[in-house]
Amino acid sequence: GENVEQHPSTLSVQEGDSAVIKCTYSDSASNYFPWYKQELGKRPQLIIDIRSNVGEKKDQRIAVTLNKTAKHFSLHITETQPEDSAVYFCAASMGGSQGNLIFGKGTKLSVKP
Amino acid sequence: GAGVSQSPSNKVTEKGKDVELRCDPISGHTALYWYRQRLGQGLEFLIYFQGNSAPDKSGLPSDRFSAERTGESVSTLTIQRTQQEDSAVYLCASFPHSLSTEAFFGQGTRLTVV
Repeated sequence: GENVEQHPSTLSVQEGDSAVIKCTYSDSASNYFPWYKQELGKRPQLIIDIRSNVGEKKDQRIAVTLNKTAKHFSLHITETQPEDSAVYFCAASMGGSQGNLIFGKGTKLSVKP
Repeated sequence: GAGVSQSPSNKVTEKGKDVELRCDPISGHTALYWYRQRLGQGLEFLIYFQGNSAPDKSGLPSDRFSAERTGESVSTLTIQRTQQEDSAVYLCASFPHSLSTEAFFGQGTRLTVV
């Protein structure tokens, strides 16, 4: 079946460094790619998303890039801060529909002060 | 309420008992998902409801799992004859019927089977 692969599973960086999380997807019809941040014990929260008609989107320290040909997309966090520590999930819409999101297994990001 | 509401927030049950988990989506949201999140793991898709269409049940792990939703309102996830491996957080998410595709998550129900 369709799936989303996410790497790395854990990532540790020093405060101020950049962090990059990568995802690949299998369904060529996927057209929506959100990223969720889940802090310990809390619900996942959308932090940024991108649609297939653009290649890059930025929001302050967070950016997402999309390569439709290669079927991969990445989350970039610059100038990391301890409060960025969380589990990050990527997702891709399946079957071209808005709602059928398949999630990656998550990346646990630790930002050391 | 303003968000997706799930109840109970915590449930401890004995192995072999049935449990029912409830999700109240945001009013007007036509799409509703159930996910399972085992400790330290990712989000595992269980079932998807979209309006009055037949639900996508392809993620349900066994026939002990079932879910219902009446129209665009409350959904219940039922697990029969619970097993210890069913212990997890069960998350519900709803989507608005619009161009927005953001999933709004509930706080989840932490199920512990002892």
